[in-house]
Amino acid sequence: QSALTQPRSVSGSPGQSVTISCTGTSSDVGAYNYVSWYQQHPGKAPKLMIYDVTKRPSGVPDRFSGSKSGNTASLTISGLQAEDEADYYCCSYAGSYTPWLFGGGTKLTVL
Amino acid sequence: QVQLHQSGPGLVKPSQTLSLTCALSGDSVSSNSAAWNWIRQSPSRGLEWLGRTYYRSKWYSDYAVSVKSRITINPDTSKNQFSLQLNSVTPDDTAVYYCARAGSGWYLDYWGQGTLVTVSS
Repeated sequence: QSALTQPRSVSGSPGQSVTISCTGTSSDVGAYNYVSWYQQHPGKAPKLMIYDVTKRPSGVPDRFSGSKSGNTASLTISGLQAEDEADYYCCSYAGSYTPWLFGGGTKLTVL
Repeated sequence: QVQLHQSGPGLVKPSQTLSLTCALSGDSVSSNSAAWNWIRQSPSRGLEWLGRTYYRSKWYSDYAVSVKSRITINPDTSKNQFSLQLNSVTPDDTAVYYCARAGSGWYLDYWGQGTLVTVSS
């Protein structure tokens, strides 16, 4: 299976909102409500930000939200802050042979 | 608080075996609800799931098709840890390797610190 498709980069100014898309197929993103999003700062491990398309783990600010329509999932970050500058990866369950299929990652720059 | 701590060599020669260990605290490798995963990250491949082990009345292991012929993931209940072995490595296996827990759902909620493994003679 191919990786999920994300834009290489997005940017926004502090206080603004940005949305990162994640496009898959009817066999992964479109088939299951098991999309998750991870934030990764340089040299650090990925951190879970959203799971099951829309749910936030304890401790993740409500500025982060997720959604899905058809084969495309989205992560929206509102009220951008400097510390949100990082790489973001989407991930989808894709069946028992590929439990986790990742996107190629999106670099978020806070201007 | 669940923590995963990785250990293992950062340099492996081509054709040899890459071996890493992930020690757990705050959860049990024998948990009936969690699964224990290895994932790698490289500029060429991005994030790639390699495989997992989990206990559901008996032990199971699943592997990515891309590495299935070369990989073994084993639990060690006496030390509450699990391991990765990847045989016959090539420079293409150079990556940062992560262990990670999948809790009760289809998401990876706790990650190890990562280990850069370079395959080079």
